[in-house]
Amino acid sequence: DQQVKQNSPSLSVQEGRISILNCDYTNSMFDYFLWYKKYPAEGPTFLISISSIKDKNEDGRFTVFLNKSAKHLSLHIVPSQPGDSAVYFCAASARSQGNLIFGKGTKLSVKP
Amino acid sequence: DAGVIQSPRHEVTEMGQEVTLRCKPISGHDYLFWYRQTMMRGLELLIYFNNNVPIDDSGMPEDRFSAKMPNASFSTLKIQPSEPRDSAVYFCASRLSGGMGYTFGSGTRLTVV
Repeated sequence: DQQVKQNSPSLSVQEGRISILNCDYTNSMFDYFLWYKKYPAEGPTFLISISSIKDKNEDGRFTVFLNKSAKHLSLHIVPSQPGDSAVYFCAASARSQGNLIFGKGTKLSVKP
Repeated sequence: DAGVIQSPRHEVTEMGQEVTLRCKPISGHDYLFWYRQTMMRGLELLIYFNNNVPIDDSGMPEDRFSAKMPNASFSTLKIQPSEPRDSAVYFCASRLSGGMGYTFGSGTRLTVV
């Protein structure tokens, strides 16, 4: 049973437009959420995070929104650039636990 | 800092052979994690250690898989005997206690033929 779900395996966006990647979770104990970015032949790298006490966190072109009542978070990239093309993983954790639970990932393609 | 170092980067082996994957975490990090990435299951946690002690190995798929962390700077993941369905990319990650961000290694791509 997947506790963190990314229902879109892929997303294609035009350069300069907004990319929206979605993630749903089932475990109400999760209180910390992260997005990781992965290029081929490399390990995932941390992108942005949000605590459950917030509903929005922004870092440059990247913004993560958290809707706790819907158990849903999203990553917005504005404007999208070709270099953003990668696989994006959503991850969640309960601070009482030591590990992160990852979704299956969404492959973003930003076309020039 | 050299980051999390994994070896080998690629491993091709025949079914039935023993495979050992290696990981050196970031110095000072007291949590170490082994993940496996496949198309079907995404990134799944196999096992993690805190201060060299295994905390949760519920993700280890079968008894054929074992992991050790003999000291703070080294961990191994062993598969014996290996099977074609073990083919995947295996990642090691580490983090500091109190921090939530993991640092991943570059992974080992395992192919069992």
